[in-house]
Amino acid sequence: AQTVTQSQPEMSVQEAETVTLSCTYDTSENNYYLFWYKQPPSRQMILVIRQEAYKQQNATENRFSVNFQKAAKSFSLKISDSQLGDTAMYFCADRTNTPLVFGKGTRLSVIA
Amino acid sequence: EAGVAQSPRYKIIEKRQSVAFWCNPISGHATLYWYQQILGQGPKLLIQFQNNGVVDDSQLPKDRFSAERLKGVDSTLKIQPAKLEDSAVYLCASSFIPGTGGPGELFFGEGSRLTVL
Repeated sequence: AQTVTQSQPEMSVQEAETVTLSCTYDTSENNYYLFWYKQPPSRQMILVIRQEAYKQQNATENRFSVNFQKAAKSFSLKISDSQLGDTAMYFCADRTNTPLVFGKGTRLSVIA
Repeated sequence: EAGVAQSPRYKIIEKRQSVAFWCNPISGHATLYWYQQILGQGPKLLIQFQNNGVVDDSQLPKDRFSAERLKGVDSTLKIQPAKLEDSAVYLCASSFIPGTGGPGELFFGEGSRLTVL
């Protein structure tokens, strides 16, 4: 069964600084998809970024980028120039031949 | 484009009572999911529908939980009788690309928060 592990329950970062959230996963398949979702307080979950496992190039979306290490089964999220609006729970998720499997999340606080 | 709609947003019930949650996915989305998110944890899949058929309900506690998606559009999740450990946020999500696998993005509703006393 797939498992997704986020080892940082909480993190904080100063506004305009850079922060990296860690995620490891365990799948036996070669083709799969990885996602980072953001869940602001009392608001709906939205997709931040996704990575196809067959692509070697790391995905980037504006201030958000990933470091995808397939051999190590690692998928970290880097947020550059952190903004107050980035304060949220961040969930790493794996989609192999099943629906999304989520990690337990990392609560990120951006401090002014 | 309208997003995934869920109701009610909040519900408080006594244990052993019943409750129902409703979800209307994004128009044209064939696949609908119900997730349970307990405080401090990531969402856990309860059931996945493709059109009006069940694709995966392996983690649905069928002795108390039931779900249906009549006509392949909106869906209802019911809990009867509720237990204290059912206190959670119930998230509905939909995706355009049907079936499992593939890069299809899931679009989530705002969730229904259930408190069982």
